[in-house]
Amino acid sequence: RKEVEQDPGPFNVPEGATVAFNCTYSNSASQSFFWYRQDCRKEPKLLMSVYSSGNEDGRFTAQLNRASQYISLLIRDSKLSDSATYLCVVSSGGGSQGNLIFGKGTKLSVKP
Amino acid sequence: NAGVTQTPKFQVLKTGQSMTLQCAQDMNHEYMSWYRQDPGMGLRLIHYSVGAGITDQGEVPNGYNVSRSTTEDFPLRLLSAAPSQTSVYFCASSPSGGAGDTQYFGPGTRLTVL
Repeated sequence: RKEVEQDPGPFNVPEGATVAFNCTYSNSASQSFFWYRQDCRKEPKLLMSVYSSGNEDGRFTAQLNRASQYISLLIRDSKLSDSATYLCVVSSGGGSQGNLIFGKGTKLSVKP
Repeated sequence: NAGVTQTPKFQVLKTGQSMTLQCAQDMNHEYMSWYRQDPGMGLRLIHYSVGAGITDQGEVPNGYNVSRSTTEDFPLRLLSAAPSQTSVYFCASSPSGGAGDTQYFGPGTRLTVL
């Protein structure tokens, strides 16, 4: 089983739509979880960390389900500017970022 | 602050050539790392450093060397370039390397090995 799995998409949605991505991870000892955003031919940038209690940042909501070992990202009221690839990132255990595992990313395309 | 900078932005090498990818950060971060990103693959860790004078191997270290003589700089050396090293290389830094830290990425170097 791959360590971090994401649906590669693409997810093609109209402006204003709500879209959700899931990501599953294999290491039950994983401690930290993130969503990064990567625009075409650019570097990844942190979108949000994912906390056990779930967290929200404007139109973005992240959830963690430790029992089922998945995290999710919900984007409400999609904007054209949300078009990007969303990377799920999981620490594979231990305290060092040397253990960060990146998913391959889910591509989102928001259409007018 | 410039953040994380990388040079060059693009590079074409012939098989067997060597070169150094430069990475610098001005945020006084202790932790720095190098990743490669290939089509259809997640970012894979090549080498990382938890502070000046300390480096360690990541998931795919073969064919690459690193050193960390200062907090600011973390160059990546390709010893003898191979076509399999054609990729986009990202340098990243974070304050302490803790598992919850945000990683700040440089703009990347696009390398082609012929």
